[in-house]
Amino acid sequence: SAVISQKPSRDICQRGTSLTIQCQVDSQVTMMFWYRQQPGQSLTLIATANQGSEATYESGFVIDKFPISRPNLTFSTLTVSNMSPEDSSIYLCSVGAANQPQHFGDGTRLSIL
Amino acid sequence: QKEVEQNSGPLSVPEGAIASLNCTYSDRVSQSFFWYRQYSGKSPELIMSIYSNGDKEDGRFTAQLNKASQYVSLLIRDSQPSDSATYLCAVNVEGSQGNLIFGKGTKLSVKP
Repeated sequence: SAVISQKPSRDICQRGTSLTIQCQVDSQVTMMFWYRQQPGQSLTLIATANQGSEATYESGFVIDKFPISRPNLTFSTLTVSNMSPEDSSIYLCSVGAANQPQHFGDGTRLSIL
Repeated sequence: QKEVEQNSGPLSVPEGAIASLNCTYSDRVSQSFFWYRQYSGKSPELIMSIYSNGDKEDGRFTAQLNKASQYVSLLIRDSQPSDSATYLCAVNVEGSQGNLIFGKGTKLSVKP
């Protein structure tokens, strides 16, 4: 399976700032996914990123808060904007395809003060 | 609202026993089912995929699928302390480009 690298692995940020998380895959993939995992909770899909088109956001997530870029078939970024303590979570990128399992990066552990 | 339900546990079993983890899903048309293991502080790791009714075995792991009952389970034989983790059930969103819905996970503790 693809090797997925995420960075930063963790960060502590101030309220009101923004952070961009990078996800690099060692092979070309069509679909990339961004998830949030809040403390003690399961994974919630934020959006699906398809190269060459706008990301598709799930209910409850908006582009202004979580802008996503997908400039090529091996790379994507997720920005968490205007952060508040409620954004403290693990953010995970993954790759997959229809009816196939997803494989995850190591995640970014984000704490907001 | 598509849902995946799991007993949150914790499920505690002695070393060497069989651990049985269960999952139900709401979308009758789902076709692909996955079990992930997540150690504390780590990202989810795929351990089993199952697509057809019946059993699928891989080493100490057996996944069981019953589409009529909308039920999927994971059996872990000869449980080891290293199996202690949270197990996440995931179900595909039919017609999507690979979206999965995850259950909340069952925390398994294997006692030596």
